[in-house]
Amino acid sequence: EVQLAESGGDLVQPGGSLRLSCIASGLTFSNNWMQWVRQAPGKGLEWVANIGQDGSQKNYVDSVKGRFTISRDNAKNSLFLQMNSLRGEDTAVYYCAAGSGWIIDDWGQGTRVTVSS
Amino acid sequence: DIVMTQSPDSLAVSLGERATINCESSQNILKSSSNQNYLAWFQHKPGQPPKLLISWASTRASGVPDRFRGSGSGTHFTLTIASLQAEDVAVYYCQQYWSAPLTFGGGTKVEIK
Repeated sequence: EVQLAESGGDLVQPGGSLRLSCIASGLTFSNNWMQWVRQAPGKGLEWVANIGQDGSQKNYVDSVKGRFTISRDNAKNSLFLQMNSLRGEDTAVYYCAAGSGWIIDDWGQGTRVTVSS
Repeated sequence: DIVMTQSPDSLAVSLGERATINCESSQNILKSSSNQNYLAWFQHKPGQPPKLLISWASTRASGVPDRFRGSGSGTHFTLTIASLQAEDVAVYYCQQYWSAPLTFGGGTKVEIK
């Protein structure tokens, strides 16, 4: 069974930084594209970023380009999202997700990020 | 960016009746050489992570009941729940994975009438 466990969500002031982590088990981590997807309060799902198996390919939604960085450590089965210059509109539950190619087969339970003064 | 448009925003269906959700992409997401549509459907219940129902527009994920059926091609897609059960109450999203940024539809809330 695939398990994805996010951590790092917190209350942070506008302009601040946060680093989310996701530890994966039950899958061959280095074979999977990994994704971050978020859901703002009362809103729908929004894809944030993804990263290829060896970390060399990365894609971002325009609203986070230049502020967020996705990375991975295959030796530790871990995915990260470094979030800088946080804004109120970044407030959301952030899900770590894994899949075959860009298909999202499995999701974590999510970690909550609140950006507020 | 590919825009995914779902309709309706919400629908109420009696138990045992059919629910139909539509999804339209702003660009073709059919790869002609393989005849594959880069379209997934997810079910999202409150307090839970989303769950993959269907990929490639019509391939059910493992363990998904056969009352869930995906159809369509090119730019128009449909998710049909053949006989609505109480446990199907959720928000349903379509998503394209043809190109980055991956994009979701706005969601369709399904309730019991």
